[in-house]
Amino acid sequence: ETGVTQTPRHLVMGMTNKKSLKCEQHLGHNAMYWYKQSAKKPLELMFVYSLEERVENNSVPSRFSPECPNSSHLFLHLHTLQPEDSALYLCASSQARGPGYEQYFGPGTRLTVT
Amino acid sequence: AQSVAQPEDQVNVAEGNPLTVKCTYSVSGNPYLFWYVQYPNRGLQFLLKYITGDNLVKGSYGFEAEFNKSQTSFHLKKPSALVSDSALYFCAVRETDSWGKLQFGAGTQVVVTP
Repeated sequence: ETGVTQTPRHLVMGMTNKKSLKCEQHLGHNAMYWYKQSAKKPLELMFVYSLEERVENNSVPSRFSPECPNSSHLFLHLHTLQPEDSALYLCASSQARGPGYEQYFGPGTRLTVT
Repeated sequence: AQSVAQPEDQVNVAEGNPLTVKCTYSVSGNPYLFWYVQYPNRGLQFLLKYITGDNLVKGSYGFEAEFNKSQTSFHLKKPSALVSDSALYFCAVRETDSWGKLQFGAGTQVVVTP
């Protein structure tokens, strides 16, 4: 599990706060992903980056803003969130974006919006 | 469009007994299939994948899965379950000739009792 790290592990924020989630992968991968995991719902893919270029944005509200400064780091900037945004946010990476490459996940950030 | 179904919310098995977690899929082309496991407060861990070739795929921790094209299934199996196998298991599918997203099932909770 140390291949993909995420900080912080837990975050409580008010609806007017601005915070950022950080992900770092130590696997030399070229693709990185943000997922949202809510109770009793399948994993929701939010964003995909391939070689630092955003290649997918699955209808995510603009209050979530991703940033990928290099192939090892991925951020998710949060602002004016809603209580329904409370969830586990998972970062993942894969060697490439192609369909046969498995993804490696970080431990997640448990976000609570109050 | 691709989809994946895990028909059981929970599977209960006694330690030492065989474990099976069911998964069926729907894709328009040929599938890439994956199994992941999630322990409490952890990210998803990759177990195994089917791309092509032998229908029986062996993975981590003694798990294996059998690809059945006619039944569009990819059931996860372990001959002798351990208490430590208690976790949430996710099946996922992706079409081979597609840049589309990895579609996850809703997950199956496995409970192994001593």
